[in-house]
Amino acid sequence: SQELEQSPQSLIVQEGKNLTINCTSSKTLYGLYWYKQKYGEGLIFLMMLQKGGEEKSHEKITAKLDEKKQQSSLHITASQPSHAGIYLCGADNRGGATNKLIFGTGTLLAVQP
Amino acid sequence: GAVVSQHPSWVICKSGTSVKIECRSLDFQATTMFWYRQFPKQSLMLMATSNEGSKATYEQGVEKDKFLINHASLTLSTLTVTSAHPEDSSFYICSARDSLGGTGDSYEQYFGPGTRLTVT
Repeated sequence: SQELEQSPQSLIVQEGKNLTINCTSSKTLYGLYWYKQKYGEGLIFLMMLQKGGEEKSHEKITAKLDEKKQQSSLHITASQPSHAGIYLCGADNRGGATNKLIFGTGTLLAVQP
Repeated sequence: GAVVSQHPSWVICKSGTSVKIECRSLDFQATTMFWYRQFPKQSLMLMATSNEGSKATYEQGVEKDKFLINHASLTLSTLTVTSAHPEDSSFYICSARDSLGGTGDSYEQYFGPGTRLTVT
C-alpha cells in the first residue's frame, strides 16, 4: 500500500521567515493534495497537483510536485502566525473499486510572533 | 463552494453506549464518502469508504461490527460507534467526493468539520 512520509514532523519558525515542508510517497503520485488543519477542526483545502513538475501558488504558499511524481514540497514565504497549524499532504491511493485519499504523517507548524 | 457538515460537533457518552455521527453533503451529491479517525497530534487514518446503496469498505484493522456505516442517500452517511469504550475517544472526520465534479481521474474531496467523541 502507498505510504506518505512528511518532514519535518514539527517546525517552529519566527514570524517573517520562510519554511518548507516535504511529502515523499512510496509510489507514484496520481494526485497530490495539500491541506491545513487547525487543531480540533476540519481540513482546509490548499492545493492539488497532478502533473510532474507542476507548481501552484496561492498567496504566500507555493506547492510543487517533482518530475518523477513521488515528492512534493510546500513552501511558505514570510510566515505569519495565521499560518500556524497542521499541514497534511494527501494522495489518491489508486487500487480497488474506489480511489481513496490517504494522508501523510503531518507537520505541525508553529509561528512565533 | 461545496460544504460538508457533521453532527454532532462533539459528544460525550458513557462506556457501553452507542453513538451515531452524521455526515452530510449540503449542496452536492456524493456517491462516495469517507470516514477518518484522528488521534491527538497524529494524522488522519482512513477507517472506511462509504458507498451509497451498498456496503461500506473497511480498511484493514477496522472492526466493521464496531463501526457501523450506513450511506442511505446521496447526501448522507452515518457512522455508529457501537458499545463505545474510552479507547474509541477520538476526532472523527468525514469527507465526501463530488460525484460530478473533478478533473480527470481525481475528484475533489470535501471535508466535514469533524466530531470529537469522548467516552467516559
